[in-house]
Amino acid sequence: QVQLVQSGAEVKKPGASVKVSCKASAYTFTAYYMHWVRQAPGQGLEWMGRINPNSGDTYSAQKFQDRVTMTRDTSISAAYMELSSLRSDDTAVYYCARGGASGTTFIDYWGQGTLVTVSS
Amino acid sequence: QSALTQPASVSGSPGQSITISCTGTSSDVGGYDYVSWYQQHPGKAPKLMIYAVNNRPSGVSNRFSGSKSGNTASLTVSGLQAEDEADYYCTSYTSSSTLLFGGGTQLTVL
Repeated sequence: QVQLVQSGAEVKKPGASVKVSCKASAYTFTAYYMHWVRQAPGQGLEWMGRINPNSGDTYSAQKFQDRVTMTRDTSISAAYMELSSLRSDDTAVYYCARGGASGTTFIDYWGQGTLVTVSS
Repeated sequence: QSALTQPASVSGSPGQSITISCTGTSSDVGGYDYVSWYQQHPGKAPKLMIYAVNNRPSGVSNRFSGSKSGNTASLTVSGLQAEDEADYYCTSYTSSSTLLFGGGTQLTVL
């Protein structure tokens, strides 16, 4: 069974950075894109970007292009998302999510989510 | 890009059918057959229910079906059950090579 296990909750101050990890298992890590999606408290889902674990190529939503860095470590089947210059409105649950068979057009499996709280 | 437009809430009685709409533009919903739907229970991660407009992943009940006409996609849940009560989100691939989500619809089973 495909599993995506994310790192634990974080509390950060405004202006800091946060790095969320996502460890994949039960499938070939390099064969499927990894997406990152966030959900602010009581709000909807927002797509942040994706990484091709095979090549390392990334593509992010324009809103996050200057602040998000997505990386991967194929030796341990892990993906990472770092968000910098945090603001209070970055408080959200951050999900890693595997791209479906087509890679970029839908998501089929989700991690459990990582709550990031930005507060002074 | 603005979120795809979904009704904030829909409701139905057990056994009835409901339909949730998802309206976009020709740059997303109308331009590609890449609409997917997700179910999210409170405090849980989303779950894929429909992909590529009308395809169900293995294990998803055939009470869930999807369709699309022009710039509007729809999710129909037939034979409503108490366990179907959740938030539902549509998403579409876009001409910018991104994924765009709808604002979400809260389904209440009366």
